[in-house]
Amino acid sequence: DAGVIQSPRHEVTEMGQEVTLRCKPISGHDYLFWYRQTMMRGLELLIYFNNNVPIDDSGMPEDRFSAKMPNASFSTLKIQPSEPRDSAVYFCASKQDQNTGELFFGEGSRLTVL
Amino acid sequence: SQKIEQNSEALNIQEGKTATLTCNYTNYSPAYLQWYRQDPGRGPVFLLLIRENEKEKRKERLKVTFDTTLKQSLFHITASQPADSATYLCAIRGDSNYQLIWGAGTKLIIKP
Repeated sequence: DAGVIQSPRHEVTEMGQEVTLRCKPISGHDYLFWYRQTMMRGLELLIYFNNNVPIDDSGMPEDRFSAKMPNASFSTLKIQPSEPRDSAVYFCASKQDQNTGELFFGEGSRLTVL
Repeated sequence: SQKIEQNSEALNIQEGKTATLTCNYTNYSPAYLQWYRQDPGRGPVFLLLIRENEKEKRKERLKVTFDTTLKQSLFHITASQPADSATYLCAIRGDSNYQLIWGAGTKLIIKP
């Protein structure tokens, strides 16, 4: 398996634009997580899915953020409209099942909002 | 709420020596604790998981201890190498829904 695949790796956009980040989890993994990492706040969980169903989105900072998982092999994180304070690295991670603790992370999407 | 503390300052170690990183947590008794490695521009990579009923776990040159009384985990790299230079993150399972609570990470620098 190629691991968790994220795109784009880098995104530079202007304030007010819509940003869509994409993730393909490892096949067969039941859980998918979206994290945000900044120097100031470290790794923060935004939302996670179990079997494509959003379970906890309490980490989503504002209504500008939304996430979907239409099927087991694809998820998106959308920011609309984007703001400079959204600049961060966004990671997607997947986990096999509830009995395993290990998370497999993608390489991240570095977002810069000007 | 749960809180995790890792040394915020970089740790400089001479090649060949043992590097020891500390992870302290408060206000909770986690079911397990994990250590991850993160290289610049990359995602975290899982290294070890230790459960609350385990005192120590080893994997090659890595050793993790878990003291639930002190609420502390130590992460050791023996015979350290420059390739071990990275940021090491500690994470504990939170109190609900399988969430992980993450430390800020400690940057380890192994000097040749």
